[in-house]
Amino acid sequence: EIVLTQSPATLSLSPGESATLSCRASQSVSRHLAWYQHKPGQAPRLLIYDASNRATGIPVRFSGSGSGTDFTLTISSLEPEDFAVYYCQQRDDRGTFGPGTKVDVK
Amino acid sequence: EVHLAESGGGLVQPGRSLRLSCMTSGFTFGDYNVAWVRQAPGKGLEWVGFIRATRYGATPESAASLEDRFTVSRDDSKAIGYLDMNRLKTEDTGVYFCVKEREGAGEKWGQGTLVTVSS
Repeated sequence: EIVLTQSPATLSLSPGESATLSCRASQSVSRHLAWYQHKPGQAPRLLIYDASNRATGIPVRFSGSGSGTDFTLTISSLEPEDFAVYYCQQRDDRGTFGPGTKVDVK
Repeated sequence: EVHLAESGGGLVQPGRSLRLSCMTSGFTFGDYNVAWVRQAPGKGLEWVGFIRATRYGATPESAASLEDRFTVSRDDSKAIGYLDMNRLKTEDTGVYFCVKEREGAGEKWGQGTLVTVSS
């Protein structure tokens, strides 16, 4: 099973700052990696698919990069609604999620 | 508008079985993979399994740790996806989401249904 690790576990930032979230896979997943935003009581929201493609309706401040085993989600300037938990997911071999990074208000 | 709605959750005793349904609308159901993801209380997301679109054979796959108990299926004539869960354990407790996939990613999610496994 492909294991995903995310770092940091928690990121404390202020609105307007940029956020850099990391996701590392235990073996190559090519570019078959997605990023989701999840808020309590809501369904997760797809942000990025295939490592760097923004999903429909996602603001340009969200960007993804990487391939193989190392991936990054960048939020260029945090808006109040961006404080949430972010998960990466691979679908190269079945599917797995990372443990998540919580972005909270500093 | 694309819509997915899970049903079938509830309280079930350990060792029993449960079938979850995912009713969909707003898209050509047979053209898309349908996946299931769960979230245990206070935990992160866990991929449960998926079933390929009909043109790819409608073949299912489950997480390795669950494949002996959980099976994903679909009925394209009704635009419904299913998750059959057998020999349930207390650790299967959580919210179960069904997901419409596109390009291998969860493009649209239902709101989830709560499954509680307890005696």
